[in-house]
Amino acid sequence: GAGVSQSPSNKVTEKGKDVELRCDPISGHTALYWYRQSLGQGLEFLIYFQGNSAPDKSGLPSDRFSAERTGGSVSTLTIQRTQQEDSAVYLCASSLGTAWDEQYFGPGTRLTVT
Amino acid sequence: AQSVTQLDSQVPVFEEAPVELRCNYSSSVSVYLFWYVQYPNQGLQLLLKYLSGSTLVKGINGFEAEFNKSQTSFHLRKPSVHISDTAEYFCAVGGDTGRRALTFGSGTRLQVQP
Repeated sequence: GAGVSQSPSNKVTEKGKDVELRCDPISGHTALYWYRQSLGQGLEFLIYFQGNSAPDKSGLPSDRFSAERTGGSVSTLTIQRTQQEDSAVYLCASSLGTAWDEQYFGPGTRLTVT
Repeated sequence: AQSVTQLDSQVPVFEEAPVELRCNYSSSVSVYLFWYVQYPNQGLQLLLKYLSGSTLVKGINGFEAEFNKSQTSFHLRKPSVHISDTAEYFCAVGGDTGRRALTFGSGTRLQVQP
């Protein structure tokens, strides 16, 4: 079956512009996660959705970052007024929603802020 | 708070040799431990996980890991590696009270040489 998909696969933007990154989870997965993978930093958790609500958004690095999920499916991560330090690969994962079940990761969106 | 340390950023090994990738964690609560693999230009894939029970966990592709509570370790092993095992390997911990996010280590690049 289809896995987690993310779009775009690559995004180059100028400093100060807003960007939207999209994640389509596996059908039927109620939990959705966003992570960021920076060079030399490993993976950092950003936000977790259960259905359409976000019980844990503790990883969002600043108020320029926001995310929403609609219909218990697609999620959008928005970065406003992008900065060069926002350059990273943004990964989305989804899972069935039971405790500590496997998270299935998408291929990521590589964001470059120039 | 939880943290994960992967002591080796790179591990070169010859084909058919055994390998061990080291992972140590820090946590004040019960832990759930995971190893993920990221092949070049692909998303992360779960290799194995420890939630409870037997401390020796077997995963896909011939990998196994042992949970050692006294040493707070979860090292990954394979008795004989193949060229196709060349990838980045991430150890992760979950279980932080009230949180569903995983905390990842910085990764170990396994380079299998012929």
